[in-house]
Amino acid sequence: QKEVEQNSGPLSVPEGAIASLNCTYSDRGSQSFFWYRQYSGKSPELIMSIYSNGDKEDGRFTAQLNKASQYVSLLIRDSQPSDSATYLCAVNPTGGFKTIFGAGTRLFVKA
Amino acid sequence: DAGVIQSPRHEVTEMGQEVTLRCKPISGHDYLFWYRQTMMRGLELLIYFNNNVPIDDSGMPEDRFSAKMPNASFSTLKIQPSEPRDSAVYFCASDSGQGNEKLFFGSGTQLSVL
Repeated sequence: QKEVEQNSGPLSVPEGAIASLNCTYSDRGSQSFFWYRQYSGKSPELIMSIYSNGDKEDGRFTAQLNKASQYVSLLIRDSQPSDSATYLCAVNPTGGFKTIFGAGTRLFVKA
Repeated sequence: DAGVIQSPRHEVTEMGQEVTLRCKPISGHDYLFWYRQTMMRGLELLIYFNNNVPIDDSGMPEDRFSAKMPNASFSTLKIQPSEPRDSAVYFCASDSGQGNEKLFFGSGTQLSVL
């Protein structure tokens, strides 16, 4: 089992819709969870971090964490074509400082 | 700050040649990470350093790969000898170690081994 799993997509949504991206992780003791966005040909950039169960909102982005289910999600409201990118879920496993990434979900927002 | 700086941006080499990738982390960042990204395997952690000391190199694929960090402002990833399956984008990232665990990535090195 991979440490961090995501549906590779592509996920296609119309402009203005809500995009929902999901991720599961295997290390039950993980404490830190992240979403990075990567545009084609560019490097990943952090857009959200979450450390406790529940929701965390930042503008159009909401991260959701459920440690009991080992599940992290990212919601993008009012999706824009500029949101089209690959979204990488990342986790810091127990006791370490290293960040493990999922394979990423490609999102296309159609104008 | 200029961010994490990697060189070269692109490297094309022939199988069997030595390849050296370079990275300058953000000044003051205590952690440095080397990742490799391919379509098949995604973004894989190869090795990371804390205060210039290698902490975890379990992701280094084999003995052909080596990484060093001689000082706080410079790290290298060396592949010797290179093989076509090493073709990938290699990213360097740094982290301040101040607790927010935010990685700042360089622009990456696109390596092609023919």
